[in-house]
Amino acid sequence: AQSVTQLDSQVPVFEEAPVELRCNYSSSVSVYLFWYVQYPNQGLQLLLKYLSGSTLVESINGFEAEFNKSQTSFHLRKPSVHISDTAEYFCAVSAFNTDKLIFGTGTRLQVFP
Amino acid sequence: NAGVTQTPKFQVLKTGQSMTLQCAQDMNHEYMSWYRQDPGMGLRLIHYSVGAGITDQGEVPNGYNVSRSTTEDFPLRLLSAAPSQTSVYFCASRPDRAGSPLHFGNGTRLTVT
Repeated sequence: AQSVTQLDSQVPVFEEAPVELRCNYSSSVSVYLFWYVQYPNQGLQLLLKYLSGSTLVESINGFEAEFNKSQTSFHLRKPSVHISDTAEYFCAVSAFNTDKLIFGTGTRLQVFP
Repeated sequence: NAGVTQTPKFQVLKTGQSMTLQCAQDMNHEYMSWYRQDPGMGLRLIHYSVGAGITDQGEVPNGYNVSRSTTEDFPLRLLSAAPSQTSVYFCASRPDRAGSPLHFGNGTRLTVT
């Protein structure tokens, strides 16, 4: 079975500062990895995903994540955050041999002016 | 496009009552799933379906039933509601392609008193 650990439940940061949201996973087989974002009172939206190929993946709004197989990590980074990035971010993993998508407990990113 | 539609948006039940949370998608997605979201626990998979007539259990299936008679609909039934089932419930769907992202509904907020 696979599992996901998000080490930080809350990350406060000032606007224009860099941020890293940490995600580690556990699986005995190869995996697909995802980051989803949830704005208040909404469902989740896909931010970015790693399926195969280049280990660095990017989103259209400046976030990036790097798949590190040896450290079983998929940390999310942004070099300069905006107020509008305030949201909850979820890391998720799906093993190749299963239909289940398992989520971490989430990290609440709060961006202050 | 409507995407994934969940009804109702809010519901209050008394302990022991039954109800069905509705989920419909108009994207012809084979895979559908139900999650519950609780503070500090992220999203946990309740049940999922890879196609009409096929359902399977997720991480927290107890107290919930599902069926999948059509591709479009995937209702979640609570046969005898308990206060522990107070939560926000999300339905999500995706095409039957490994690694494809989930499309989420806007959620149903359920309170059991």
